Amino acid sequence: GGIITQTPKFLIGQEGQKLTLKCQQNFNHDTMYWYRQDSGKGLRLIYYSITENDLQKGDLSEGYDASREKKSSFSLTVTSAQKNEMAVFLCASGTGGPSYEQYFGPGTRLTVL
Amino acid sequence: QQQVRQSPQSLTVWEGETAILNCSYENSAFDYFPWYQQFPGEGPALLISILSVSDKKEDGRFTIFFNKREKKLSLHIADSQPGDSATYFCAIDMGYKLTFGTGTSLLVDP
Repeated sequence: GGIITQTPKFLIGQEGQKLTLKCQQNFNHDTMYWYRQDSGKGLRLIYYSITENDLQKGDLSEGYDASREKKSSFSLTVTSAQKNEMAVFLCASGTGGPSYEQYFGPGTRLTVL
Repeated sequence: QQQVRQSPQSLTVWEGETAILNCSYENSAFDYFPWYQQFPGEGPALLISILSVSDKKEDGRFTIFFNKREKKLSLHIADSQPGDSATYFCAIDMGYKLTFGTGTSLLVDP
């Protein structure tokens, strides 16, 4: 089996601050994902990466940057945190093939003061 | 943007009852429909999935019913247990990425 590690678990920032969330996976999966989860709104895709050095925008990419430094790691940057923004950011990885499964990390909870 | 709708938003059943969670989607043809289960403080995990060539998929107490013509799915949880209390998301496979519904929060009362 494998595991997805997200750091930090809790992130508190100031309005306008640039904040970075990190994700590591040891499944050796090609594809990685960043989702935002707001209460009552399900999971919305921010960015995904099909392979190392690839980046694809999801439905919610505005205000975010991403970086796939190597196959096992995928970072997300909130370019300018918005006040009262509170959400859980979930990282996932998968094979990306037909009928594939995505494996999720435990999430990073962001609070902006 | 492909829409995936789930109902009800929340559901409470007694232990031993069958919980029924609904999902529908719009347009296009999709082949793979997974359901994910999420407990508080954790990321979602794949629970059960179905391919469009099937109209039913069983895995223990969990069953997916799929009506391709109406673009509807339902997840039936038989003999519900308190440990099944979680949020359930259906999703559609859009090739390399999934689009998730907004989820159904299930509470099983003992």
